[in-house]
Amino acid sequence: EPEVTQTPSHQVTQMGQEVILRCVPISNHLYFYWYRQILGQKVEFLVSFYNNEISEKSEIFDDQFSVERPDGSNFTLKIRSTKLEDSAMYFCASSPRGQAFFGGVGNIQYFGAGTRLSVL
Amino acid sequence: AQTVTQSQPEMSVQEAETVTLSCTYDTSESDYYLFWYKQPPSRQMILVIRQEAYKQQNATENRFSVNFQKAAKSFSLKISDSQLGDAAMYFCACRSNYKLTFGKGTLLTVNP
Repeated sequence: EPEVTQTPSHQVTQMGQEVILRCVPISNHLYFYWYRQILGQKVEFLVSFYNNEISEKSEIFDDQFSVERPDGSNFTLKIRSTKLEDSAMYFCASSPRGQAFFGGVGNIQYFGAGTRLSVL
Repeated sequence: AQTVTQSQPEMSVQEAETVTLSCTYDTSESDYYLFWYKQPPSRQMILVIRQEAYKQQNATENRFSVNFQKAAKSFSLKISDSQLGDAAMYFCACRSNYKLTFGKGTLLTVNP
């Protein structure tokens, strides 16, 4: 069964450093997402991406964050200058379609196993 | 803005018994979808079941079923014949447009 793949599983970095989290979405999916989960808290939406541009982003997704689909398979999240409070589990997700009203299974988001980011 | 509330931080159930996890939500959207995701200790988010808001019939997936009360904005998950492998954190989520809004989760313990 196709799955979303995230690398690395654990990333340790020093405060102020740049990190890039990588994701390989399911191959025929068109919509891509990043979420984060601070330890012990709820999963929070960061950004959605379609057709090489951001379709929606949350207040968390400020100027220090960026996303990119550098080739036909990878989807990356870059944090320019990490802060201690960026320590969290970061989940990538993909779906065949994005709009809720399309119906069917097209709007289901399939998640990767996550990258644990530890900022020291 | 959407909100999802799970009022039970923790629940426990005996193996083979039935348990119900509660969820309420609030959204101003007319088109939305509701989901239950399971997060085992591995922390991967696994879809358990989904419900289209426009459908009156409650969704069922094997031992998992929902009680969707649209007017009350309630979306509870029932797990029948609980198994040890069901032990996990369960998140209720609401989706409209692009993003999922999650509740805080319910930690389910299954006792042998």
